[in-house]
Amino acid sequence: DAGITQSPRHKVTETGTPVTLRCHQTENHRYMYWYRQDPGHGLRLIHYSYGVKDTDKGEVSDGYSVSRSKTEDFLLTLESATSSQTSVYFCAISDPSKVVDLYEQYFGPGTRLTVT
Amino acid sequence: DAKTTQPPSMDCAEGRAANLPCNHSTISGNEYVYWYRQIHSQGPQYIIHGLKNNETNEMASLIITEDRKSSTLILPHATLRDTAVYYCIVRAVNAGNNRKLIWGLGTSLAVNP
Repeated sequence: DAGITQSPRHKVTETGTPVTLRCHQTENHRYMYWYRQDPGHGLRLIHYSYGVKDTDKGEVSDGYSVSRSKTEDFLLTLESATSSQTSVYFCAISDPSKVVDLYEQYFGPGTRLTVT
Repeated sequence: DAKTTQPPSMDCAEGRAANLPCNHSTISGNEYVYWYRQIHSQGPQYIIHGLKNNETNEMASLIITEDRKSSTLILPHATLRDTAVYYCIVRAVNAGNNRKLIWGLGTSLAVNP
């Protein structure tokens, strides 16, 4: 299994509080991704990073920010959590030598976030 | 990116081959077919991908029809640990900086003893 850890694994927080989720990899992969998964929806991309300090928005980026100051860490921040951000969050990594390999992604175990 | 259609659920007997179909009738020439699976409460797991030739790895085989409008993921000897949701995703690999993968709801495969 790819060396990807996420922390915390579970979190309950109140509406309006800031929350930061961490993804840590030991694979030295260039690309890192944050997804959310909700019942009745497939996984949806929030943000991704293609290198240190290089990030871009995915399809559901509103209300989220990210940072990547080191190759191994990719942080997802909810500046002011809302109940609609209750979800399971997955981090993924890829290390494409070819463009087609961008989508050969390896996922972490997930973080279950509940916003009350 | 082309849309995919998968049956919502399938059953398979342990030890038998599991054949998971995916329809992607609007696929374009530069779009690859990727398969992932997700075991309950875990992160998705990459299985295999292909363009037009059949592909095989240690996990599965991918059979793509000659017209590329459909494909089948084959687990040759299904085990109970293969019980999972299987996702078929079609993605153009030269689509600018958009790195989105469109995940549908997949096929829930139950392998029965």
